[in-house]
Amino acid sequence: TQLLEQSPQFLSIQEGENLTVYCNSSSVFSSLQWYRQEPGEGPVLLVTVVTGGEVKKLKRLTFQFGDARKDSSLHITAAQPGDTGLYLCAGPYSGGYQKVTFGTGTKLQVIP
Amino acid sequence: EAQVTQNPRYLITVTGKKLTVTCSQNMNHEYMSWYRQDPGLGLRQIYYSMNVEVTDKGDVPEGYKVSRKEKRNFPLILESPSPNQTSLYFCASRTGLETQYFGPGTRLLVL
Repeated sequence: TQLLEQSPQFLSIQEGENLTVYCNSSSVFSSLQWYRQEPGEGPVLLVTVVTGGEVKKLKRLTFQFGDARKDSSLHITAAQPGDTGLYLCAGPYSGGYQKVTFGTGTKLQVIP
Repeated sequence: EAQVTQNPRYLITVTGKKLTVTCSQNMNHEYMSWYRQDPGLGLRQIYYSMNVEVTDKGDVPEGYKVSRKEKRNFPLILESPSPNQTSLYFCASRTGLETQYFGPGTRLLVL
């Protein structure tokens, strides 16, 4: 089983602060995805990273895929209350895209 | 509007009483999947389907059944629910490697 471990599990910060969330595995992934989930809703895809070392930016969010494709990070600059939510990383099992494994999630609270 | 719908959204039942959670998508997606979400365990895949009449087990299939008779529908069946199946359930769909869209979730409590 390919496991994805996320850290930290919980994060409570003040508006305007920067933060980084990590997603680590001992296995190589062909790609990793980051989702955000708000209470009472399903996860919504933020980004997919495919190439080792790849960096993608989505406004104040920066996503990086590790060179060895075993880890990824999400950095938020100047966090806002609207960033509050559960952040999940996910990746396909080796051999295909049918089976997907999710990390345990990072619950972020941004205090105004 | 492109969407994945699930019904019911909330369900309280008793041990052993068969139930079905429906999932429907209007995007003509081939791939559909069911997940359960539990505190501290994240989202775990129950079953997935690559197309009509093609289904396969995910990580936690025990106690669940699925069927895919039509492309748009992928119901999740609990033949004899038990309290350890109390959870938040999500259905999702996508085409190929494109974005996976999730439904709004079904919160199930088994007494």
